[in-house]
Amino acid sequence: EPEVTQTPSHQVTQMGQEVILRCVPISNHLYFYWYRQILGQKVEFLVSFYNNEISEKSEIFDDQFSVERPDGSNFTLKIRSTKLEDSAMYFCASSEVVSSNEQFFGPGTRLTVL
Amino acid sequence: SQQGEEDPQALSIQEGENATMNCSYKTSINNLQWYRQNSGRGLVHLILIRSNEREKHSGRLRVTLDTSKKSSSLLITASRAADTASYFCAAKAAGNKLTFGGGTRVLVKP
Repeated sequence: EPEVTQTPSHQVTQMGQEVILRCVPISNHLYFYWYRQILGQKVEFLVSFYNNEISEKSEIFDDQFSVERPDGSNFTLKIRSTKLEDSAMYFCASSEVVSSNEQFFGPGTRLTVL
Repeated sequence: SQQGEEDPQALSIQEGENATMNCSYKTSINNLQWYRQNSGRGLVHLILIRSNEREKHSGRLRVTLDTSKKSSSLLITASRAADTASYFCAAKAAGNKLTFGGGTRVLVKP
């Protein structure tokens, strides 16, 4: 069964450093998303991406964050200058032709900012 | 106000028993999705119920939706130890994002 994959599974970085989290969505899906889950808290929406542009973003997704689909398979989340409070599990998700379909999540990248 | 609030926050049952958890939401939705998360792992999609549906089944899972009460329930029948996990509802209103609740932690004792 096709699935969303994410790399790395765990990323440790120093405060102020840039990180890039990578995702490979399910191949025939057209909508892509990033969510995060701070330890012990709810899963929070960050951004959705369709047709090579951001379709929706939350207030969390400020100028420090950016997303890109650099090629036909990868979808990346970049955090330019990480802060301690960026430590969280970051989930990538994708859905089929319309955003009202099921969103399938990847296994997540645990980001630890020291 | 919060979308997708589950209750109870935690549930402990014996293997073979049924587990029921509820979800409430605040605004009109397009659909509501349920996910399972094993400790520290990813979110596994369980079932989606659309706003014009009242009940849906998938294997041992039964989901109901009452849009007049803005609530949904997830029933796991004949629970197994492997069902031990956190279960989240996620409401999809207009737009693309899912709004998750805080989850119900289910412990199934063998």
